[in-house]
Amino acid sequence: EPEVTQTPSHQVTQMGQEVILRCVPISNHLYFYWYRQILGQKVEFLVSFYNNEISEKSEIFDDQFSVERPDGSNFTLKIRSTKLEDSAMYFCASEEGPGANVLTFGAGSRLTVL
Amino acid sequence: QKEVEQNSGPLSVPEGAIASLNCTYSDRGSQSFFWYRQYSGKSPELIMSIYSNGDKEDGRFTAQLNKASQYVSLLIRDSQPSDSATYLCAVNYSGAGSYQLTFGKGTKLSVIP
Repeated sequence: EPEVTQTPSHQVTQMGQEVILRCVPISNHLYFYWYRQILGQKVEFLVSFYNNEISEKSEIFDDQFSVERPDGSNFTLKIRSTKLEDSAMYFCASEEGPGANVLTFGAGSRLTVL
Repeated sequence: QKEVEQNSGPLSVPEGAIASLNCTYSDRGSQSFFWYRQYSGKSPELIMSIYSNGDKEDGRFTAQLNKASQYVSLLIRDSQPSDSATYLCAVNYSGAGSYQLTFGKGTKLSVIP
């Protein structure tokens, strides 16, 4: 069964450092997403991406965050200068297209900011 | 503020019983409703989606939607220990074609053998 692949599975970084989380969505999917889940909290929407641009973003997705699709397969989330409160599990998800109505989540990347 | 509310539990049911999970949402403009299962430390896994009022059955799972009451529920029949997980209700508020889901905090279900 096709799956969304995320790397790294766990990253530990110092506050103020830049972090890049990587995702390989399912190959024929058109919409890509990042969600995050702080330990013990809700899963929260960060950003959606379609046709090489951001289609929607939440209030959490401020200037410290950016996304890009540098090639035909990878979809990355960059946090420019990490803060302690960025510690969370970050989930990438992809969707085949409008009307497909099914988000497939990756296994997640756990980010720990010290 | 668009909210999705769930009883956090834990909800404990004996093996073989029916587990009933409930969710309310705040925005009447919501279009799509989902139940995800999340095991500890894992990613959400879609169980059911429902878009119109009434019941939708898939195996041991039944989702129920009442848009007038802004209420979604999930019934799990013949509960198994492997059903023990946190169940997340999610609502799509966006009409833009992408799936910006708003999640509830989840109800932790424990099925006792």
